[in-house]
Amino acid sequence: DTGVSQDPRHKITKRGQNVTFRCDPISEHNRLYWYRQTLGQGPEFLTYFQNEAQLEKSRLLSDRFSAERPKGSFSTLEIQRTEQGDSAMYLCAVNPDTATNEKLFFGSGTQLSVL
Amino acid sequence: AQSVTQLDSHVSVSEGTPVLLRCNYSSSYSPSLFWYVQHPNKGLQLLLKYTSAATLVKGINGFEAEFKKSETSFHLTKPSAHMSDAAEYFCVVTLGGGGSQGNLIFGKGTKLSVKP
Repeated sequence: DTGVSQDPRHKITKRGQNVTFRCDPISEHNRLYWYRQTLGQGPEFLTYFQNEAQLEKSRLLSDRFSAERPKGSFSTLEIQRTEQGDSAMYLCAVNPDTATNEKLFFGSGTQLSVL
Repeated sequence: AQSVTQLDSHVSVSEGTPVLLRCNYSSSYSPSLFWYVQHPNKGLQLLLKYTSAATLVKGINGFEAEFKKSETSFHLTKPSAHMSDAAEYFCVVTLGGGGSQGNLIFGKGTKLSVKP
């Protein structure tokens, strides 16, 4: 158990629909990250929060993607007007060490399939 | 720019034999390097990390990795494979520096199979 819960585990949707994923760290962590992993690839950074503030966004995060962390605890990732290319595993991670960005604890991910 | 190259997409070993998973990195400064493991239906887990201290790094489950600057390599090894080691392994480098706080750059992964 990594202490990071992601919901849902699997999501199947039709192209053009909106989807929202949730990440719940068990304990308070300042830093929370979203990554995307496609088949045969390593995870790719999407965005990062320091408490409630979204401090970085990757160029992979198009205008259709939005992430929030309203209270500095759980986070949501929404994809609007989904496309087949959005099909991937979406991973949430937290960093319990405020001094470095080195050790991340990952959730099991949400597998998105866009038909 | 920082990057990692995992030289093998799939490695197959017999139980009890040594494991070698190869990784080469590219970095414009002294990098921090990691190995993460991903078991099916489980979250990524940190195996070990190198952060400019000892070049031979010991991790969990009997794994270790050696940082070789002259070869720009950070290969992962284990003397004797166990069935439970079957998983996907990722070599990772941080962007680091004074700016980014979040970016881990993952390799494409090496799938390790262990035969009985």
